[in-house]
Amino acid sequence: GAVVSQHPSWVICKSGTSVKIECRSLDFQATTMFWYRQFPKQSLMLMATSNEGSKATYEQGVEKDKFLINHASLTLSTLTVTSAHPEDSSFYICSAPTGDGAYEQYFGPGTRLTVT
Amino acid sequence: KQEVTQIPAALSVPEGENLVLNCSFTDSAIYNLQWFRQDPGKGLTSLLLIQSSQREQTSGRLNASLDKSSGRSTLYIAASQPGDSATYLCAALRSNDYKLSFGAGTTVTVRA
Repeated sequence: GAVVSQHPSWVICKSGTSVKIECRSLDFQATTMFWYRQFPKQSLMLMATSNEGSKATYEQGVEKDKFLINHASLTLSTLTVTSAHPEDSSFYICSAPTGDGAYEQYFGPGTRLTVT
Repeated sequence: KQEVTQIPAALSVPEGENLVLNCSFTDSAIYNLQWFRQDPGKGLTSLLLIQSSQREQTSGRLNASLDKSSGRSTLYIAASQPGDSATYLCAALRSNDYKLSFGAGTTVTVRA
């Protein structure tokens, strides 16, 4: 199957700082990637759709100025959490669908963000 | 809006027993349905993908069925093993915008 990586796997930052999370499709190209957030013992919540070469589209209730998304190439999307606060602490996961018509989604291993 | 429900929320079985995990969705306009496995603190591993035109998919001990008209999918795991202990998530891909709607998951514990 296709492989999606994320970096870093976990990060601790101080309140008020910004953190960048990378999502890469290693063996396929992805014009679209998705960013999710997962709270403990809960399911995944879609935050935004990352589109290569154009602006991301955000789900209702997600602050686009806080969660900056850039999809600079066909294999890389980044999520920057700006001016992080403790309530931003969460597990962030990205996914990318295959472009073969099946639209199977492959997920990264996730990034655990802790804001102190 | 697509609502995906998984029943039961948790399941504990002795090793060797067959597992039946249920998933229901409210909007039948789906492109496909995927079953995932998630281990604690990890990402999602794709188990099976069923296209909207298909009725079932099989991989090893896993079999998933799809009844789009009734809005149901079932994941069967034969002869469960302790290594099958994890949370299983189903997700329906909406046809109109290709976004996944997730169920809350079924947490499975297989006792040795």
